[in-house]
Amino acid sequence: EDQVTQSPEALRLQEGESSSLNCSYTVSGLRGLFWYRQDPGKGPEFLFTLYSAGEEKEKERLKATLTKKESFLHITAPKPEDSATYLCAVQATGNQFYFGTGTSLTVIP
Amino acid sequence: KAGVTQTPRYLIKTRGQQVTLSCSPISGHRSVSWYQQTPGQGLQFLFEYFSETQRNKGNFPGRFSGRQFSNSRSEMNVSTLELGDSALYLCASSLGATITYEQYFGPGTRLTVT
Repeated sequence: EDQVTQSPEALRLQEGESSSLNCSYTVSGLRGLFWYRQDPGKGPEFLFTLYSAGEEKEKERLKATLTKKESFLHITAPKPEDSATYLCAVQATGNQFYFGTGTSLTVIP
Repeated sequence: KAGVTQTPRYLIKTRGQQVTLSCSPISGHRSVSWYQQTPGQGLQFLFEYFSETQRNKGNFPGRFSGRQFSNSRSEMNVSTLELGDSALYLCASSLGATITYEQYFGPGTRLTVT
């Protein structure tokens, strides 16, 4: 069964305390893995697309990496404005998207 | 450039009624996808339209339907509403012929079924 699992469900960090969010997936053929950020009351905001194992992408304090079975979103020296829910989604060969339930990140000043 | 817009933003309906939600994609985007978001299930894919044709469909009952117009605007309809249909309905648009293009989400329509 195709599925995406994110961990941890919730994460509290002190400002400046780096950490990683995990997204593990089991799908029948990966076409792409996507990371989104969602703020309360808003739709998800696109962050990254990764297509193949070994690929990495960076944006400000965020860095996404991909292996054959999981992806990590590394947050370096986070700030309070990084507080949000981070969603991972996988597109399988059937073109369907499967989303994880997200990691709720809180960065404390 | 204007983002994805969805109307209405909030909606309260009674069980058994039907509802139509609207989505206007970013100008130039031809693909529109619909998702249901609930606290327990997260985001679940409903369907995707490209150039007025349904290109992909998730595992939802036939009560959920959609369409896309020639200007790429899309509507989603839910008939015979059930309490479990209460959710945030999100629309996302993307640029090109392949769904692997980046998707940009609207703010969603919050549907409450009583």
